[in-house]
Amino acid sequence: EAGVTQFPSHSVIEKGQTVTLRCDPISGHDNLYWYRRVMGKEIKFLLHFVKESKQDESGMPNNRFLAERTGGTYSTLKVQPAELEDSGVYFCASSPWRESYDEQFFGPGTRLTVL
Amino acid sequence: GIQVEQSPPDLILQEGANSTLRCNFSDSVNNLQWFHQNPWGQLINLFYIPSGTKQNGRLSATTVATERYSLLYISSSQTTDSGVYFCAVLSTDSWGKLQFGAGTQVVVTP
Repeated sequence: EAGVTQFPSHSVIEKGQTVTLRCDPISGHDNLYWYRRVMGKEIKFLLHFVKESKQDESGMPNNRFLAERTGGTYSTLKVQPAELEDSGVYFCASSPWRESYDEQFFGPGTRLTVL
Repeated sequence: GIQVEQSPPDLILQEGANSTLRCNFSDSVNNLQWFHQNPWGQLINLFYIPSGTKQNGRLSATTVATERYSLLYISSSQTTDSGVYFCAVLSTDSWGKLQFGAGTQVVVTP
C-alpha cells in the first residue's frame, strides 16, 4: 500500500510569488491534515479535511494560504503571495475515517524556501 | 489547550549508547505518536502508542496515560538515529489536531 505522497519535495521561490503544494493521501483515507514546521520551531497544525469538507482550519496563519480538496482525494495548499516567514517544511498526513484519534500517517514533506 | 513538553531538548550520544527521551502532557489523550525527523527533513512515523508498550527493533516506547507521560528508548544508537524526535498527542476534546512537543535534537557521534 502506497504511503502519503507530497509534491514537490523542495520548492525555492522568491518573495511575492505563488506556490502550490500537493498531497496525495493513502487510498481510502477520508481524513487529510496539513501541518508545517517553520524556522526550526514546533510542528504546527494548519487544517483538517474530512473528505472534501474543511473540518478545522483554525491553524491557517492568514488569508494568503488556501487549501482545497476537490473530490475528497488529493489536496493542494496554495500560498499567494509567499513571504519570507513561510519558509519551512510542510507536512501532509492522512488517517482513516474510523475514529478521530486514529494514527495519522505523515508524508515526507515539502521543503519551501522563500528568498 | 493541551501542553506537551519533551526532555531533554538536546542529546549527544556516542555510537552504541542507550538513551531515554521523555514526553509529558498536561491532559488526557486519545492518541500519542512518536516521530523521527531525519536530517533531510522527512518525518518518519515511529510509534502509535496511546497506552502500553511497543517495540520495533532497537526502539521501544512506553506510555503511561494515567500519569500523562511517554518514554522513547533508543538502544545501541547508530549515527542514522540522529535527527529530531517529536512526540505528538491528541487530547480527548480535540478532533484530529495533533499537538506536537518541541522535540529532542539527537546527535549520535561515531
